[in-house]
Amino acid sequence: NAGVTQTPKFRILKIGQSMTLQCAQDMNHNYMYWYRQDPGMGLKLIYYSVGAGITDKGEVPNGYNVSRSTTEDFPLRLELAAPSQTSVYFCASSSPGRNSGNTIYFGEGSWLTVV
Amino acid sequence: KQEVTQIPAALSVPEGENLVLNCSFTDSAIYNLQWFRQDPGKGLTSLLLIQSSQREQTSGRLNASLDKSSGRSTLYIAASQPGDSATYLCAVKGEMTSGTYKYIFGTGTRLKVLA
Repeated sequence: NAGVTQTPKFRILKIGQSMTLQCAQDMNHNYMYWYRQDPGMGLKLIYYSVGAGITDKGEVPNGYNVSRSTTEDFPLRLELAAPSQTSVYFCASSSPGRNSGNTIYFGEGSWLTVV
Repeated sequence: KQEVTQIPAALSVPEGENLVLNCSFTDSAIYNLQWFRQDPGKGLTSLLLIQSSQREQTSGRLNASLDKSSGRSTLYIAASQPGDSATYLCAVKGEMTSGTYKYIFGTGTRLKVLA
């Protein structure tokens, strides 16, 4: 069972370049999330989606864009990369609704360095 | 605004000790609380999920408790082993806007168990 799959694992970008982090889940989850994790900090929500065609901003959306054309895929695009975007990026998914038994599943992370 | 705090930020203990990690949150209107383990260079793995109606959950040497009224959770690790060395994060699930939900993460406790 693949769960949540992220690619690439590592990437070095030059300032001003653009790239897309890919995320796919095979659990038929409606909810998908992108977080970033900086050293010594908790996870900050960048964008989230509650279903195909529906996305919304989280706490730190500036410099990023997302799309959700299918239930399975939730790519994160970085436009005009800046050193402040050097971070570890995690994609996650969960079942919808207020069911308190629903857990959230994470990908392995993508390490991005902007130089 | 929900805030999640974890104390201590780092902890070093000799093998075999029992230990307690703390998590506090400011808004008691949560659906669940989860404890995660994160190994260096890896994603987050869910350890225990406590639903809002529950007081505790147990899995092997791990026991997590939840006191919603005081905004606190503890993760108890019995007979610690070097393999328990990792960062432990707690997260609460709450409602963002009507019908959408988010997870708020603490900054984690970095645990090192010495052989």
